[in-house]
Order: sequence, then C-alpha cells, then structure tokens
Amino acid sequence: TQLLEQSPQFLSIQEGENLTVYCNSSSVFSSLQWYRQEPGEGPVLLVTVVTGGEVKKLKRLTFQFGDARKDSSLHITAAQPGDTGLYLCAVNSGNTPLVFGKGTRLSVIA
Amino acid sequence: DTEVTQTPKHLVMGMTNKKSLKCEQHMGHRAMYWYKQKAKKPPELMFVYSYEKLSINESVPSRFSPECPNSSLLNLHLHALQPEDSALYLCASSPKQGQGYGVSGELFFGEGSRLTVL
Repeated sequence: TQLLEQSPQFLSIQEGENLTVYCNSSSVFSSLQWYRQEPGEGPVLLVTVVTGGEVKKLKRLTFQFGDARKDSSLHITAAQPGDTGLYLCAVNSGNTPLVFGKGTRLSVIA
Repeated sequence: DTEVTQTPKHLVMGMTNKKSLKCEQHMGHRAMYWYKQKAKKPPELMFVYSYEKLSINESVPSRFSPECPNSSLLNLHLHALQPEDSALYLCASSPKQGQGYGVSGELFFGEGSRLTVL
C-alpha cells in the first residue's frame, strides 16, 4: 500500500498555463515536504509545511497543507520551461526516514 | 549549488569489478543516507547512518557495502553487481537522526552518481 498518492502521474502543459498537483494520504502527518528533481540531478527541497491549512508561497509556486494534515497541493502559476521536472512529496512516518510519493512528472513546453 | 558532493558523476563497471561511490558534506549534518533511483521512479532508501553508525539497512544485497569513515564522508562500495543494479545513486544528509529525522526530516541531496553495470 502506497502511503502517499500523487496525482496526476504525468502532466504536459504549454508555457504560461497554470497547474495544480496533489499529494494525498489517509494518514495524518506532522509535516510534509515537496521536492523537485530535474533530469540527471538529485531532488531539491522546495518547502516544508507543518501547520494544518498552512499556505506557503515560493515565487510562482503555492503550497497548501490540508486542514487535517493528510494531504497537500502544489499550484504553479504561469508555468515556465524551467519548471519541468519530477515533483515529489515526502513525509516522515513515525520514527522512520523520509517516505516519498511516486511523483508527478511535469513537462512545460515553450 | 548542492552542498552534498558526490563522485564520480558517472560510473560504468563490469560485473566482476570493485568500485566505490563517494559522498561528502560539510554542513555538520549527523545523518547520511544512500538512495537508489531507477528511471521514472522515486528514490528508494538503501542505508542510513546516524552519528557514523549504520542505523538502517533496507534489506540491501551484500554486494552493496556502505561505509562512514567520519561525520562528513559516506562511501558505497560495489562488488559483483548485476546489470539490474544500474541506476542513479543518491546521497543525502540531514541535521540529525532522531524523532522526525532532524528538525523536520528535511534531506539535502547530492546530484547523484549514475551507475551502469555491463
């Protein structure tokens, strides 16, 4: 059973469009992280959300943690080709290392 | 620029070779990790070192042998690998291992070592 479900798995959009990707679970978490991984590189931490209902902005990226701390969304405004990559959500479950979702692979076409 | 440095960036080896992957961080982090990532898949945890001691081995075959000589260095020794072991090997570090694996379990990854086994 996958702890984190990410959707969609793949997304291909035109430059300038908006998009939202989701990370869902039936479990409650104390915090949740979003990473972006570009081809041939390691994942890079974008944000950590901690409080239920929390919204964090990083330039054109808006992250939200669900009120019940079971899910999160990432919204990108006016996507650019540089946003292309694999977006991974991740959580600590109990006293275990980070668990990753399967990711959303985003392609932004110029 | 990543503060976790991995070498080599690319490695091609035969099934009878012995090679090593190296990882270095100077952020004072006390937990270090090896992950394996196959194409189009998320990273999969292999090993965790906490305060230079192996704390987690995710049932990794013995042909992979980790080593942590000091708090800044992490090695992965490779011997008698199989072609299916070809993957991107990622090293990561976090401030400490403990409840939540650091302040909030955040990991800092290197750029990875792309391994091809012939």
